[in-house]
Amino acid sequence: RKEVEQDPGPFNVPEGATVAFNCTYSNSASQSFFWYRQDCRKEPKLLMSVYSSGNEDGRFTAQLNRASQYISLLIRDSKLSDSATYLCVVRANDYKLSFGAGTTVTVRA
Amino acid sequence: DAGVTQSPTHLIKTRGQHVTLRCSPISGHKSVSWYQQVLGQGPQFIFQYYEKEERGRGNFPDRFSARQFPNYSSELNVNALLLGDSALYLCASSPSGQGTYEQYFGPGTRLTVT
Repeated sequence: RKEVEQDPGPFNVPEGATVAFNCTYSNSASQSFFWYRQDCRKEPKLLMSVYSSGNEDGRFTAQLNRASQYISLLIRDSKLSDSATYLCVVRANDYKLSFGAGTTVTVRA
Repeated sequence: DAGVTQSPTHLIKTRGQHVTLRCSPISGHKSVSWYQQVLGQGPQFIFQYYEKEERGRGNFPDRFSARQFPNYSSELNVNALLLGDSALYLCASSPSGQGTYEQYFGPGTRLTVT
């Protein structure tokens, strides 16, 4: 079983729509959780950390469910510039980040 | 402030050769991690170095090695290259080796093995 699994999508949504997707992780001892964004042929960039109580950053909302071992990301009022691959990232110990394969989102005009 | 820098940006090698990739972390960051990203997959952890010592190693063969220098820059070495080593190699830095800190990635080195 993969350490982090994501729905690969693609999610194809119109501008202004809301899009949400999840990822699941296998290690119940995982300590920290993040969403990274990766544009085509570029490096991953930190979008937001995910906290146990859930957190928002502008149009982005992340939730963590430790009991079910899943993390979600919701994007409100989608912009064309939100088109990217979103990587779910889990830290199980002090040194290693485990990445999902990514969820592709395409926002169309 | 400069971000994480990596060199070279692109590299073409033939099977059996070796390669050295270089990374300079963000100023003040003492931890460097290396990841391999094959097309269509997420990055896979190779190594982490903190204060010049190896803190962790992923599931990669001994052909892969790395080191960190006193100025916290790092090198990743791959020997006896295989076609399957073709990938984007990413370096990430963080302030310390502790798990609470986010990692910041460099632009990567795109390695093609022919």
